[in-house]
Amino acid sequence: EIVLTQSPGTLSLSPGERATLSCRASQSVSSSYLAWYQQNPGQAPRLLIYGASNRATGIPDRFSGSGSGTNFTLTISRLEPEDFAVYYCQQYGSSPLTFGGGTKVEIK
Amino acid sequence: EVQLVESGGGLAQPGRSLRLSCAASGFSFDDYAMHWVRQAPGKGLEWVSGISWNSGSIGYADSVKGRFTISRDNAKNSLYLQMNSLSAEDTALYYCAKGGGSGSYWHFDYWGQGTLVTVSS
Repeated sequence: EIVLTQSPGTLSLSPGERATLSCRASQSVSSSYLAWYQQNPGQAPRLLIYGASNRATGIPDRFSGSGSGTNFTLTISRLEPEDFAVYYCQQYGSSPLTFGGGTKVEIK
Repeated sequence: EVQLVESGGGLAQPGRSLRLSCAASGFSFDDYAMHWVRQAPGKGLEWVSGISWNSGSIGYADSVKGRFTISRDNAKNSLYLQMNSLSAEDTALYYCAKGGGSGSYWHFDYWGQGTLVTVSS
């Protein structure tokens, strides 16, 4: 099983600042099958990024993903008020599919 | 518009069973893999099970293997999860999620709002 470790656990930033979230895998993720999701309180997760760097439909270009192998990053270039949420990475290259523990981006 | 609507959750006693359903609309259901993902109260996301477009490929998390069974009825645009031998550790919000493609190894591009399963005596 591929274990995904997200860091930091909590990121305290102000609107307009840049956010950098990390996701590290215990072994190489096949074909960069790595996705990022955003979850707001009381809501279902929403797909942001798939294939490590491809933005999902309707996702603003302030969200970008990068990385390969075992190290992946989600960057939010300028935080908007609606971006303060919990973010999860997920690998879907091998079974069982696994999620990271999440990073909470909170308002400083 | 893609819609996924889960149902069947509720309160169950330990050791009992529940069957969850997910009604899909707004896309060609039989072209895509489908999944169940759960989230315990205040916790993160856990993949539970997935099924390919034709039910030819099925996978389970170790935590539910042998107790849960995923299935689908393409004629009814519906996904199911039969949950047996429930324990308190199965208490969670269960989401139905659409795969981005037909096989097992795709991201989840749409999610339902979830159905809550509570296991307690």
